[in-house]
Amino acid sequence: RKEVEQDPGPFNVPEGATVAFNCTYSNSASQSFFWYRQDCRKEPKLLMSVYSSGNEDGRFTAQLNRASQYISLLIRDSKLSDSATYLCVVTSTSGTYKYIFGTGTRLKVLA
Amino acid sequence: DAGVTQSPTHLIKTRGQQVTLRCSPKSGHDTVSWYQQALGQGPQFIFQYYEEEERQRGNFPDRFSGHQFPNYSSELNVNALLLGDSALYLCASSLSRGSYEQYFGPGTRLTVT
Repeated sequence: RKEVEQDPGPFNVPEGATVAFNCTYSNSASQSFFWYRQDCRKEPKLLMSVYSSGNEDGRFTAQLNRASQYISLLIRDSKLSDSATYLCVVTSTSGTYKYIFGTGTRLKVLA
Repeated sequence: DAGVTQSPTHLIKTRGQQVTLRCSPKSGHDTVSWYQQALGQGPQFIFQYYEEEERQRGNFPDRFSGHQFPNYSSELNVNALLLGDSALYLCASSLSRGSYEQYFGPGTRLTVT
């Protein structure tokens, strides 16, 4: 079983739609969680950290469910510019915060 | 405030050759991590450097080695290149204390022929 699993998609949604991605992780002792956004042939950019209480940044909401070992990302009112690959990241427990990435979920927002 | 920079941006090498990639971290950051990203995959952790030492290593052979300099910049060296080493190599910098958020450079795209 992969350490971090994501549905690769693609998710094709119309502008204005709400879309949600889930990501599951296998190590229950994982400490920190992030969502990154990656545009085609570019570097990953930090979208948001994911906190136990859940957190929101504008149209984006991230949630963590430690009991079920998954994190989620909700995007409301999708824009064309949201089209990208969304990478789920879980850190290792070694104390050095090695990032473990999922394979990413592709989102395409259609006009 | 300069972000993470990497050089070169693109590189073409032949099987068996050696390559050195370079990274300068974001201002104020002291930790550098290297990742390999193959097409269609998420980045895979190679190793992390802090205080000029390799602090943790991923599942990569000894052909992959690195170095961190006193100014926190870092190099990734790959010896005896294989076709399968063709990938985007990403450097990320972070602080050794705090939120541990990592910020990525634009990457070096290595093609091995």
